Amino acid sequence: EPEVTQTPSHQVTQMGQEVILRCVPISNHLYFYWYRQILGQKVEFLVSFYNNEISEKSEIFDDQFSVERPDGSNFTLKIRSTKLEDSAMYFCASSALLANTDTQYFGPGTRLTVL
Amino acid sequence: EDQVTQSPEALRLQEGESSSLNCSYTVSGLRGLFWYRQDPGKGPEFLFTLYSAGEEKEKERLKATLTKKESFLHITAPKPEDSATYLCAVQAFQAGTALIFGKGTTLSVSS
Repeated sequence: EPEVTQTPSHQVTQMGQEVILRCVPISNHLYFYWYRQILGQKVEFLVSFYNNEISEKSEIFDDQFSVERPDGSNFTLKIRSTKLEDSAMYFCASSALLANTDTQYFGPGTRLTVL
Repeated sequence: EDQVTQSPEALRLQEGESSSLNCSYTVSGLRGLFWYRQDPGKGPEFLFTLYSAGEEKEKERLKATLTKKESFLHITAPKPEDSATYLCAVQAFQAGTALIFGKGTTLSVSS
C-alpha cells in the first residue's frame, strides 16, 4: 500500500540553524501539506501546496518557513533560523484529488529538537 | 472561529467493554469530518471520512457517526491493540483544505 515517507525521523539542531525536512508524498497525489504537533498539544496545520505554489498557510507559517517541491517526488519544509519553540513533530501529508473533500494521508513524522 | 472538542481526554476500558468517543465541532460550513488513530511517536493513521449528518462508516470494531454538531466513534468489544489516541479533525469550507484537529482521546484497553 502506498504511503507517505519522511526523512530524517529525528533531527537535532542548534538554535539559529537552518533545517530542511523532507517528504515523499504518495505518487499520484496532487495536494501536499505540512502539519506540526508540539508535545502534548494538537496537530496544527502549517501549509498546503498545490501546482507548485502555496495554496493556504496558517499564522504559524511565517517568513522563517518555506516549502518547495524540488523534483517530481520530494516535498520539503525549510526552517531558516530555528527557535526553541520550533521543537515539535512535523508531519507531511498528501491527498489525491483537487476535490472539495479528500482524505489526507500522513507520514510518520520528523521529530525536530532545537537546543 | 472553527473549533473541535473531543471528550473524554482519556478513557480506560477492559477488553470487551464497549464505549463511545465524542467529537463536537463548530464550523461555519462543514466540508468533511475525519477520524484518525495515532500511536505514540507516529503519524495519524486514517480511519474514516464523514461528509453529511446521518452518515455512518464501519471498520472492524469501530463505527463512526455524524450529526450536525458532533461525531461519535463507537468501539465495540475493544481489544488491547485498539489502545491509541483517536483524533477527530474537520475541514471547513472557508478554511480550504486545512484540517482542524481536536486534542484527541487517549484510549487504553486492558486485558
